[in-house]
Amino acid sequence: QVQLVESGGGVVQPGRSLRLSCVASGFTFSSYGMHWVRQAPGKGLEWAAVISYDGSKELYADSVKGRFTISRDNSKNTLYLQMNTLRAEDTAVYFCAKVYSIRRAVVAFDIWGQGTMVTVSS
Amino acid sequence: IQLTQSPSSLSASVGDRVTITCRASEDISKYLAWYQQKPGKAPNLLIYTASTLQSGVPSRFSGSGSGTDFTLTISSLQPEDFASYYCQQLNTYPPTFGGGTKVEIK
Repeated sequence: QVQLVESGGGVVQPGRSLRLSCVASGFTFSSYGMHWVRQAPGKGLEWAAVISYDGSKELYADSVKGRFTISRDNSKNTLYLQMNTLRAEDTAVYFCAKVYSIRRAVVAFDIWGQGTMVTVSS
Repeated sequence: IQLTQSPSSLSASVGDRVTITCRASEDISKYLAWYQQKPGKAPNLLIYTASTLQSGVPSRFSGSGSGTDFTLTISSLQPEDFASYYCQQLNTYPPTFGGGTKVEIK
């Protein structure tokens, strides 16, 4: 069964750090780029970060650049998001998602985790 | 690239034909996907490359368009279709999403 399971969310004070994890199963994790997408309460979807299949390339949304770091451990089938200097506006459900590619072009995110809630509040 | 979805919400009845539009701020060719999201759940992929139905998605869902203008159509709305719908462009990084359309019961 193909699935992604996130963990690590919780309540954290502004300025503190948190690390999210996303464990993959049912597919060859090391063959796919992976993304983090977040959704603030009652709001739409916001892309946050991507990492290439081998971890050699990363890209970030401007809203998280310099504060968040995406990484992966292919030996553990696990994706991470290290979130530092958290702000109230980072409060959201964080989803990990697998890319779906056709002839090397990414055409969609076909598998999503259930999400993990991060609340930044004093 | 900005994606503008319309309407932001709509009320419809079971059996209605529903159309949602997504306009891109620049040409994205065919690299548009549509997702359905129900409350408290993750998004679910419906359509990719503007018009290709994802495996397992009912045929009442269809997509069309290219360039800057795209449409998601539900031919006969079913009770399980009441949800929010998002478009996403994957032509250029960052892969942006539209603001969403909430489909509610009339």
